[in-house]
Amino acid sequence: DAKTTQPNSMESNEEEPVHLPCNHSTISGTDYIHWYRQLPSQGPEYVIHGLTSNVNNRMASLAIAEDRKSSTLILHRATLRDAAVYYCIRYYNNNDMRFGAGTRLTVKP
Amino acid sequence: EPEVTQTPSHQVTQMGQEVILRCVPISNHLYFYWYRQILGQKVEFLVSFYNNEISEKSEIFDDQFSVERPDGSNFTLKIRSTKLEDSAMYFCASRGDSTPGYTFGSGTRLTVV
Repeated sequence: DAKTTQPNSMESNEEEPVHLPCNHSTISGTDYIHWYRQLPSQGPEYVIHGLTSNVNNRMASLAIAEDRKSSTLILHRATLRDAAVYYCIRYYNNNDMRFGAGTRLTVKP
Repeated sequence: EPEVTQTPSHQVTQMGQEVILRCVPISNHLYFYWYRQILGQKVEFLVSFYNNEISEKSEIFDDQFSVERPDGSNFTLKIRSTKLEDSAMYFCASRGDSTPGYTFGSGTRLTVV
């Protein structure tokens, strides 16, 4: 059980930014926030992770609320290839990754 | 970029038969995992494996399932007597000591008929 809450689905227009929210109100101080995505007919793919500070990488940005009870995955310019299910997961060190239902992102041309 | 390789991509088996799903994790990774995803449902954790033994297993991973790392490069999942409800995509994943995320394979679609 991922112990996070995400909207079931979201839509975006191509080349526009997308903000995918996640609530993790019971997060403990040692839990990292990980994001994965699953493209159609593929295995999950690591996107980004963070603990307290906002993070950027080549795929996305992660904005973490100051109280750490929520976070937002930001895709700066959505493409059709970004259509996927996005999973927000609380993860502590060597515990095992548990997936929730995620958010299905649809990108419209 | 290093990949996790799974074979076969699709396997059809008769109910009651044994199947072995194979995975080649990334070579310097130390932690190995199996997950499954029944069509239209979420990705479910099955088992984790480290230092040649099971670290954790879910309630799905009953006596019908076993894992093995037979030769230092392969990581296998065996289902002894398949049931119709074992039909699913099975994903292998691995993680290194210093890598933040899991790397997943493309999966094996198991169909039990």
